[in-house]
Amino acid sequence: DTEVTQTPKHLVMGMTNKKSLKCEQHMGHRAMYWYKQKAKKPPELMFVYSYEKLSINESVPSRFSPECPNSSLLNLHLHALQPEDSALYLCASSLGQGMTDTQYFGPGTRLTVL
Amino acid sequence: AQRVTQPEKLLSVFKGAPVELKCNYSYSGSPELFWYVQYSRQRLQLLLRHISRESIKGFTADLNKGETSFHLKKPFAQEEDSAMYYCALSLPSGSARQLTFGSGTQLTVLP
Repeated sequence: DTEVTQTPKHLVMGMTNKKSLKCEQHMGHRAMYWYKQKAKKPPELMFVYSYEKLSINESVPSRFSPECPNSSLLNLHLHALQPEDSALYLCASSLGQGMTDTQYFGPGTRLTVL
Repeated sequence: AQRVTQPEKLLSVFKGAPVELKCNYSYSGSPELFWYVQYSRQRLQLLLRHISRESIKGFTADLNKGETSFHLKKPFAQEEDSAMYYCALSLPSGSARQLTFGSGTQLTVLP
């Protein structure tokens, strides 16, 4: 398996809902990432997990809560989101070692907050 | 501050014409640079890494440290090259590395 997979593909939620995004990879990568991408804009880094520990949190609001249960799985728990949080949420993974570390991206979850 | 600049938001060329997508970076250390491509309704895909010095789908990119540039080139553009292209700089951050993306260039290859 040489891909990063993300579920669901699409998600519509109200501002009071609680939902989760899931990301999975079986390439033996030890670093996993969450990005947020608005239309026609570059991805913006949200969180980085390195060896299952949160390494970087780019000042993301607490309504986004990441979780890395094991080295293959990364979740993003969503609660009390705002309409401006509507975006494509991308997961990526990489070996997590060395200067030439290359990130591979999943297809994304398109989130709409009503 | 570390920064990646892609000066062209939109770029249109005719099929068969040469294409160059510009990327300039600002970083005091030894840069690690990538080009990613995002075709319509597809995932963000790695196109090139500067360390590999490879040619993918006819594209090449050369790191010019003097001009702090990593421009993407292709001698003969094809319609299927139409996509959004992002230049990215990989930076050390704690125990991991993070990508800083440029704002992207939307390439349209006209028939």
